[in-house]
Amino acid sequence: DVKVTQSSRYLVKRTGEKVFLECVQDMDHENMFWYRQDPGLGLRLIYFSYDVKMKEKGDIPEGYSVSREKKERFSLILESASTNQTSMYLCASRQPLGGAGQPQHFGDGTRLSIL
Amino acid sequence: QKEVEQDPGPLSVPEGAIVSLNCTYSNSAFQYFMWYRQYSRKGPELLMYTYSSGNKEDGRFTAQVDKSSKYISLFIRDSQPSDSATYLCAIKAAGNKLTFGGGTRVLVKP
Repeated sequence: DVKVTQSSRYLVKRTGEKVFLECVQDMDHENMFWYRQDPGLGLRLIYFSYDVKMKEKGDIPEGYSVSREKKERFSLILESASTNQTSMYLCASRQPLGGAGQPQHFGDGTRLSIL
Repeated sequence: QKEVEQDPGPLSVPEGAIVSLNCTYSNSAFQYFMWYRQYSRKGPELLMYTYSSGNKEDGRFTAQVDKSSKYISLFIRDSQPSDSATYLCAIKAAGNKLTFGGGTRVLVKP
């Protein structure tokens, strides 16, 4: 089974802090993704990474950056946290095989509160 | 208009009933269709994955795709209280990006 592990289940930070969310997958997947999930808005893609050191903006990248130095780890960085970044953050990974590729597999999420 | 529309529910059914969920989409380039189940305080887990029109069955779950109508459905037979969760449809064209519906909350009452 694919295992996607997010380092924290719950996190509370203050406005203006630099926040790091970590995600690790154990299946040697090339693609990794960061989403945020908000009531009424569903899952929205922040950033994704095709492979190590490669990244691409998703639909809502403003205020975020990412880092992928190793294949198994994908970090989401909130440069200067703001209250509107309070949300559930979900990491996913996927192996792009067979043209269309395989579906994404998700971690259990980090519920981040910015005070 | 959202690319993928899904009724948020909640949908409440008695145990043993058939649960019927659906999504509509607007982009005819979408080719791959997924249903995820998400329990409270957990990440989404993949239930069904299909890339063609028609039906796909897996145990109590049936996924149905009608590309001509841009309409997908998920049916859960003999529903159980453990099926109580939020169900998300997710659709994509060729490439990496998934587009999600907002999710339908389902409650199966014993």
